[in-house]
Amino acid sequence: SQQGEEDPQALSIQEGENATMNCSYKTSINNLQWYRQNSGRGLVHLILIRSNEREKHSGRLRVTLDTSKKSSSLLITASRAADTASYFCASSGSARQLTFGSGTQLTVLP
Amino acid sequence: GAVVSQHPSRVICKSGTSVKIECRSLDFQATTMFWYRQFPKQSLMLMATSNEGSKATYEQGVEKDKFLINHASLTLSTLTVTSAHPEDSSFYICSARNGRERASTDTQYFGPGTRLTVL
Repeated sequence: SQQGEEDPQALSIQEGENATMNCSYKTSINNLQWYRQNSGRGLVHLILIRSNEREKHSGRLRVTLDTSKKSSSLLITASRAADTASYFCASSGSARQLTFGSGTQLTVLP
Repeated sequence: GAVVSQHPSRVICKSGTSVKIECRSLDFQATTMFWYRQFPKQSLMLMATSNEGSKATYEQGVEKDKFLINHASLTLSTLTVTSAHPEDSSFYICSARNGRERASTDTQYFGPGTRLTVL
């Protein structure tokens, strides 16, 4: 399977703590994207990082990309209960299709 | 901007019937649309890529006669699950790509998904 891997599969933290999710992919990419999915809903695009970028910030989100290791991480700072959701990375390669990671289920406890 | 709608959001049908799901880009032209399938607590798996005015490209293992895809306009793609069976029950999600974006920054915009339950 070409699907990427994410770890951890599940993460439970207290409100105010930081949450870090890691993603690995298998082929060369144009960009890597992170999405959020609330239970039973569609995906919400969070952030895109291009292959020539190493780090990107958006509000409480920080994404890093290491193309030599084919890996990325998503950091959510000062988490809130409303951040509870599944988070997926998705790599976009030459075919401009998205290959999704296995996802991380984040639970933020109030 | 960049809103994608899907209809219906939920459908329950009897085994053997066909179900059509619509995916619309509301405020941009989508030269390419994608159809995904998601089982509970799993990730999204790409089923097919649909380009406006041409035949869809199906991923390995996806039956094109079972999952009919039509992309007749720049804002509408449809997925028809033919002769549905209980094993086709799943969450189907479409996405659309804005044809004007470059490869380095192009983003897929996702619909809210359709929950199909086949009895």
